Amino acid sequence: SAVISQKPSRDICQRGTSLTIQCQVDSQVTMMFWYRQQPGQSLTLIATANQGSEATYESGFVIDKFPISRPNLTFSTLTVSNLSPEDSSIYLCSVERTGTDTQYFGPGTRLTVL
Amino acid sequence: GQQLNQSPQSMFIQEGEDVSMNCTSSSIFNTWLWYKQDPGEGPVLLIALYKAGELTSNGRLTAQFGITRKDSFLNISASIPSDVGIYFCAGRHTGANSKLTFGKGITLSVRP
Repeated sequence: SAVISQKPSRDICQRGTSLTIQCQVDSQVTMMFWYRQQPGQSLTLIATANQGSEATYESGFVIDKFPISRPNLTFSTLTVSNLSPEDSSIYLCSVERTGTDTQYFGPGTRLTVL
Repeated sequence: GQQLNQSPQSMFIQEGEDVSMNCTSSSIFNTWLWYKQDPGEGPVLLIALYKAGELTSNGRLTAQFGITRKDSFLNISASIPSDVGIYFCAGRHTGANSKLTFGKGITLSVRP
């Protein structure tokens, strides 16, 4: 498994501002992912955070709205930009070790946009 | 996009009872994963299944990878109050860039 931490654990933000979420893993991992979980819903993949290159975004998610950084093999950030109330969700990072088909999730960041 | 089918959306059981949850798909998966999510937390991996027909246990939990590779089930035996939460199944195809597909989750309530 992996020990994953996220900061902040929760935040309340004003419309039009941005929030950057950090994800830290206790060991090097090849794959890191960012998910969104809207209230009462399942998990939706936003993007795959690639180390040393641009993130790979899923349909419906764009870099301008969700810029991602992955400076090394243990750390990634997701920024949610130009916030609106519709962005109120839980944002989760997950990691996958090379050679496994298993993802482990961080504790999530609960974002509320007023 | 493709989704896994989990139903019903909610289940209510008495403490001590066993419960079984199904997850079905119209396409074949090569890996099945079961997660539990407590309120305010991220999903925690319960069981991972990698081969058709595989039956794996983790304490009071047992999960099976269906023979057709289009379904999986999770059994919880002798339920206790801390089993309350949302149970998600997730499937994965083969391939280096294959992503997880999640079910909508089943909310389990356990009456003491």
